[in-house]
Amino acid sequence: AQTVTQSQPEMSVQEAETVTLSCTYDTSESNYYLFWYKQPPSRQMILVIRQEAYKQQNATENRFSVNFQKAAKSFSLKISDSQLGDTAMYFCAFTTSAGGTSYGKLTFGQGTILTVHP
Amino acid sequence: NAGVTQTPKFQVLKTGQSMTLQCAQDMNHEYMSWYRQDPGMGLRLIHYSVGAGITDQGEVPNGYNVSRSTTEDFPLRLLSAAPSQTSVYFCASSYSGQSTGELFFGEGSRLTVL
Repeated sequence: AQTVTQSQPEMSVQEAETVTLSCTYDTSESNYYLFWYKQPPSRQMILVIRQEAYKQQNATENRFSVNFQKAAKSFSLKISDSQLGDTAMYFCAFTTSAGGTSYGKLTFGQGTILTVHP
Repeated sequence: NAGVTQTPKFQVLKTGQSMTLQCAQDMNHEYMSWYRQDPGMGLRLIHYSVGAGITDQGEVPNGYNVSRSTTEDFPLRLLSAAPSQTSVYFCASSYSGQSTGELFFGEGSRLTVL
């Protein structure tokens, strides 16, 4: 069974600074996808960034980037120039892609509450 | 385009009562799933469906029932509510075939069982 671990229950950062959220996972699969989802106080789940395991290049979406270390099974999220709107719970998630599809089954980490201070 | 719609958004039940959480999506996604979110445990998969008429259990299926009669709808039934089922429930859908696995979520339903 796959597991996803987020070891930081809470993090805080000053506005405009950079913060890194940690995530490790365990799997014997070779083809998989990794995600970071953001859940603001509104409770809506929002996809932040996605990484395909077969790609060596780290994914980047504007101020959000990941450090994907496949051998170490590590998938951290870096948020640059933090903004007050980044305050949210962040979930790391994993899915296998056997045959190219995940069947909608994701395994989530416990979540990290990020607070951005003005 | 409404995406994934869940109802109700809030519900309070008494132990032993039954209820159905409704979920509908208008994106023609084949895959649909239900997750529950509990503090310190992230989201856990309850049941999922890969198409109309096909459902399967996830990590925490006990006490829940699902069916999928149409592509659009995937209701979750609590047969006899227990306090342990107090949680926030999310319905999600995703594209089938060669996909990147991204889930599209509803807004969540907060259920309290007294």
